[in-house]
Amino acid sequence: DTAVSQTPKYLVTQMGNDKSIKCEQNLGHDTMYWYKQDSKKFLKIMFSYNNKELIINETVPNRFSPKSPDKAHLNLHINSLELGDSAVYFCASSQWGTGVGSPLHFGNGTRLTVT
Amino acid sequence: DAKTTQPPSMDCAEGRAANLPCNHSTISGNEYVYWYRQIHSQGPQYIIHGLKNNETNEMASLIITEDRKSSTLILPHATLRDTAVYYCIVRARVANQAGTALIFGKGTTLSVSS
Repeated sequence: DTAVSQTPKYLVTQMGNDKSIKCEQNLGHDTMYWYKQDSKKFLKIMFSYNNKELIINETVPNRFSPKSPDKAHLNLHINSLELGDSAVYFCASSQWGTGVGSPLHFGNGTRLTVT
Repeated sequence: DAKTTQPPSMDCAEGRAANLPCNHSTISGNEYVYWYRQIHSQGPQYIIHGLKNNETNEMASLIITEDRKSSTLILPHATLRDTAVYYCIVRARVANQAGTALIFGKGTTLSVSS
């Protein structure tokens, strides 16, 4: 059973298109995250939701819009894709109730390539 | 910004213990130290975390100094499959945000060879 699953695994699209990445977790966690890993391999936090409420919104272009329909799902919609959006996007989840002592569990990533 | 310092790379012979150091001199009293690893471009894999006491699980041991300013991750018997980038992370509240997250640094690339 996959704990944190992302779809699609690979996404190749052209500049200017709009695309979505979906994430689901079956761990019963109440907090979910989106991270971006660029070509230099740096992992950067983008967003986080706790019980469907946005609690982290880092300096990300407003072309990126996260949506959390419920605690188990966090989707990422990207408008007007640019070449610089090419990266691997990771979803993660954790349990907020235990505060900073709760590990994050990551999905296996979505590799986005914009041509 | 990452609050930890790690060597960029380390080598280890298969079957030997791998000891990965990490400095976190500005750690606060309620901040945990986490270790993750990333193999190729897979998702980061949780290894272990601790606050004050040393911790051990089926994957590794975490030794935290008494002043909490540094720690060491120990893989007791490294295998080729342990070759990965290892991240030492102090989890903290994201600046000017309501939530906390793992802020990744550059990590240590561990190469295990036969």
